[in-house]
Amino acid sequence: KAGVTQTPRYLIKTRGQQVTLSCSPISGHRSVSWYQQTPGQGLQFLFEYFSETQRNKGNFPGRFSGRQFSNSRSEMNVSTLELGDSALYLCASSLDSSPGTEAFFGQGTRLTVV
Amino acid sequence: GQSLEQPSEVTAVEGAIVQINCTYQTSGFYGLSWYQQHDGGAPTFLSYNALDGLEETGRFSSFLSRSDSYGYLLLQELQMKDSASYFCAVNAGNMLTFGGGTRLMVKP
Repeated sequence: KAGVTQTPRYLIKTRGQQVTLSCSPISGHRSVSWYQQTPGQGLQFLFEYFSETQRNKGNFPGRFSGRQFSNSRSEMNVSTLELGDSALYLCASSLDSSPGTEAFFGQGTRLTVV
Repeated sequence: GQSLEQPSEVTAVEGAIVQINCTYQTSGFYGLSWYQQHDGGAPTFLSYNALDGLEETGRFSSFLSRSDSYGYLLLQELQMKDSASYFCAVNAGNMLTFGGGTRLMVKP
């Protein structure tokens, strides 16, 4: 079966712009989580959606937002981009959100802010 | 809050056994997961421990001691393809909190 698909794979934006990243989870998966990965901070949790509801949010400013659609596809948006937002953004989908449920990660979107 | 500590780098030779430790401090805990990530790749799930003890999956085993807030990943019969970063992660509710990752280098 198809894995988690993230688009675009690479993105270059200018400071102050906004960006939208997309994630299509594995068919049947209802939980989608987003993570930011940087060399200095590692993998940091952004937010998690389940059945179109945001159930948990990490410690990121309000410039970071997301949503989930009825087909479980998810988008995340970053407004007023800063240089420090340059990172690999990973999306992970799970069948449900029970503890220990395997999370399947996409290849990520590498965002560069110049 | 949550914090996890794991060594930043480990080097071992092919065929050897290596143990990657992880200690955690967390306000909520359901279990400890381990993920592998090759350079340029996506993290992939290796194992999950909710209860104390050892879980074995082929060459990989994972251990958890809840009373010590400690776990480890044991890799046996190391192969070159095991060179990757390994992350422990605390499952707390519906989010994963990751450690900083351990870069494993396997040498011939």
